[in-house]
Amino acid sequence: KQEVTQIPAALSVPEGENLVLNCSFTDSAIYNLQWFRQDPGKGLTSLLLIQSSQREQTSGRLNASLDKSSGRSTLYIAASQPGDSATYLCAVFKAAGNKLTFGGGTRVLVKP
Amino acid sequence: NAGVTQTPKFRILKIGQSMTLQCTQDMNHNYMYWYRQDPGMGLKLIYYSVGAGITDKGEVPNGYNVSRSTTEDFPLRLELAAPSQTSVYFCASKATANTEAFFGQGTRLTVV
Repeated sequence: KQEVTQIPAALSVPEGENLVLNCSFTDSAIYNLQWFRQDPGKGLTSLLLIQSSQREQTSGRLNASLDKSSGRSTLYIAASQPGDSATYLCAVFKAAGNKLTFGGGTRVLVKP
Repeated sequence: NAGVTQTPKFRILKIGQSMTLQCTQDMNHNYMYWYRQDPGMGLKLIYYSVGAGITDKGEVPNGYNVSRSTTEDFPLRLELAAPSQTSVYFCASKATANTEAFFGQGTRLTVV
């Protein structure tokens, strides 16, 4: 069974600091990994999708890396802003079984 | 472009009542998923489907049923509602194994 873990569960940083969010998974036979953002009381917004054959994916201030062999992905957010305050979730897709499995999320607070 | 649409947005049910949560996507996606999210937690998979006529159980299927008679629609049925089913329910879809998943805005359900 695929287990996905995000540590820490919560993180508080001053504005301007870089954010580093971690995601680990137990079964390395994944097809891809997706990072999402969730604002309080809202749905999930897709940030980045990284395929198993890729090492990293970038979009603006966001960069996601993937090390499939060690079962880890990291989301970097450069020069954080108060508007980056949200919960960030990672999800892994395993083609065998077609399940999309989520981690518990990291709640981020960026202080002005 | 509507994406993934969930109805209703909010609902209060009495114990023992039944209801259907609706999910529709207009992107011709094959894969569809139902999750529940309890306060402060990640998403748990209830049921999923890889195409019309095909459904499968996720982690927490007890107390729920689904059907997938068309590509667009994936309704979730709650029979005999219980307080433990109080949660926020999210529907998601993705086109193929190597594409990103998109989420609806959620249905907040309270069982009293």
